[in-house]
Amino acid sequence: AQSVTQLGSHVSVSEGALVLLRCNYSSSVPPYLFWYVQYPNQGLQLLLKYTSAATLVKGINGFEAEFKKSETSFHLTKPSAHMSDAAEYFCAVPGEAGTALIFGKGTTLSVSS
Amino acid sequence: NAGVMQNPRHLVRRRGQEARLRCSPMKGHSHVYWYRQLPEEGLKFMVYLQKENIIDESGMPKERFSAEFPKEGPSILRIQQVVRGDSAAYFCASSPSWGEFSGANVLTFGAGSRLTVL
Repeated sequence: AQSVTQLGSHVSVSEGALVLLRCNYSSSVPPYLFWYVQYPNQGLQLLLKYTSAATLVKGINGFEAEFKKSETSFHLTKPSAHMSDAAEYFCAVPGEAGTALIFGKGTTLSVSS
Repeated sequence: NAGVMQNPRHLVRRRGQEARLRCSPMKGHSHVYWYRQLPEEGLKFMVYLQKENIIDESGMPKERFSAEFPKEGPSILRIQQVVRGDSAAYFCASSPSWGEFSGANVLTFGAGSRLTVL
């Protein structure tokens, strides 16, 4: 079954530092991959999606992710963290039935000044 | 252009009562998905519906939980005889109506309904 694993349930960075949030997918090459962000007491918002058109995907708020088949990874990065980036981030992949997205357990990003 | 609307945002029930959560999808969307979020567990898929049809309910508990998406009106997630373990945030998402769901369809989420069972 398709699945994603997010390494690290909590990541802490200083403002201005590089953000790296890790996501690995199951060995079956997924047609699509997604990153969503959830701010406190809100729903999930799409950050970016991979649709095989390009391996480096740029999203909103300065985030990007690179699809690496050899590493079965789709890590999310941002060169310089802002305080406003503090949130929970979810990686997701379509389930095999194609009827829903399967989410990872999430990574909480904390940004300190 | 309202997004996905969920209500109530917060619901408190005592054990044994019923909880009804409502979701109105984005305009033009006829696919609705329900997810449950528990702390440290991420989002768990519950059910996928189209108008008047349940397409995939593989994530729904076998008892006490049901969902519908009638021809008119919002989608309803119903939990009968609630127990403390049902306390969670329940999120609804919708996607556009073209064809079957494919991974390229983007899910748009509501702000969630937070159920607390006393």
